[in-house]
Amino acid sequence: DAGITQSPRHKVTETGTPVTLRCHQTENHRYMYWYRQDPGHGLRLIHYSYGVKDTDKGEVSDGYSVSRSKTEDFLLTLESATSSQTSVYFCAIRGTSGSADTQYFGPGTRLTVL
Amino acid sequence: DQQVKQNSPSLSVQEGRISILNCDYTNSMFDYFLWYKKYPAEGPTFLISISSIKDKNEDGRFTVFLNKSAKHLSLHIVPSQPGDSAVYFCAAKRRGGSQGNLIFGKGTKLSVKP
Repeated sequence: DAGITQSPRHKVTETGTPVTLRCHQTENHRYMYWYRQDPGHGLRLIHYSYGVKDTDKGEVSDGYSVSRSKTEDFLLTLESATSSQTSVYFCAIRGTSGSADTQYFGPGTRLTVL
Repeated sequence: DQQVKQNSPSLSVQEGRISILNCDYTNSMFDYFLWYKKYPAEGPTFLISISSIKDKNEDGRFTVFLNKSAKHLSLHIVPSQPGDSAVYFCAAKRRGGSQGNLIFGKGTKLSVKP
């Protein structure tokens, strides 16, 4: 258990509305990641963070923004949700010391955009 | 262009027999490989990993084999148990990638029948 929680766990929203997903970790990890999982696509990186206020884009960043004002929280925002953003979103942290190349995932948020 | 490929979307195995999940990659710069297991409605769970300087890593019933010349890795589960039924993702990290970003395959759904 890497001490990662995600909120909300489920959300249904309408096209055009803003949505913010939260990832919270309790173990002071420097690196945090947001992925989306879709059938036939596996896990794809949206954005990642390598420290407070330090973020960068991943493979599928269009339509998403992130913020990290505290070490423990990494927020993913959909400024204007679209149906193509219906997905399951996972947050991950990067391990430390001997497991520095391993990522550990949160439980996920299922987002439905109508 | 898919850098990590899991060409079998599904695999069915009898309980007690061996499960072999395969993964191919195209980028010779990958230096670390991981397998994750994912149950429905849960986040991916780290299973086992291997560095590119090794060709085998074993952890209980799970063994990962790496064939660098063929750019191929496989996960062996012996003996398979019904609780192993899940989606398995292969992932890879690029050498020199300081941010630790992982590239995931699309996953293979394993069904272990009693």
